[in-house]
Amino acid sequence: EVQLVESGGGLVQPGGSLTLSCVASGFNFYGFEMNWVRLAPGTGLEWISYISSTGTTIYYADSVKGRFTTSRDNAKSSLYLQMNSLRADDTAVYYCAKGGGGYPLAYWGQGALVTVSS
Amino acid sequence: DIVMTQSPDSLAVSLGERATINCKSSQSILHSSNKEDYLAWYQHKPGQPPKLLIYWASNRESGVPDRFSGSGSGTDFTLTISSLQAEDVAVYYCQQYYTSRGTFGQGTKLEIK
Repeated sequence: EVQLVESGGGLVQPGGSLTLSCVASGFNFYGFEMNWVRLAPGTGLEWISYISSTGTTIYYADSVKGRFTTSRDNAKSSLYLQMNSLRADDTAVYYCAKGGGGYPLAYWGQGALVTVSS
Repeated sequence: DIVMTQSPDSLAVSLGERATINCKSSQSILHSSNKEDYLAWYQHKPGQPPKLLIYWASNRESGVPDRFSGSGSGTDFTLTISSLQAEDVAVYYCQQYYTSRGTFGQGTKLEIK
């Protein structure tokens, strides 16, 4: 059974940093692309980042480019999202999702809530 | 980036009636090599992760009731729920995966009339 479990969410002050983790199980993590998608209050789903299976190709939405960094450790079946210079409008539930690169997002984690507030 | 635009933003339908949601992409998402449309539909309920319903524009994911169907090609797509059930209340999103920057539509909130 495919499982994706996010962790690392919490309350952070504007301008602060936070790193989310997503641990995968039930499939060969090293062979699949991964994504980060977020849902901010009152808005819809927003794709924010893609990473190839090897980690050599990474894309970001304009809204987070230059502030967020996606990485993966295939040996640990783990995906990461390092978030810097956080703003109030980054407040959202962040999901990791398996897929992309020509495939739909078939599996999603339960989400990690990030709240940016003073 | 490819822009995905859904209509309507919200929809109220009576139980047992048909619900139709539209999605338009800013460029064709029909791949010439395999003649597939790189379009997915997701259902999102509060407190749960999004659920994949439809992929390749018209293929139903395993376990999805057959009242859900997808159609369309190129730039115009439709999700149809043939007979609305109470458990179908949710926000529905289309997404293109033609590019690795997999953009979503803004969502359509479906409610019971």
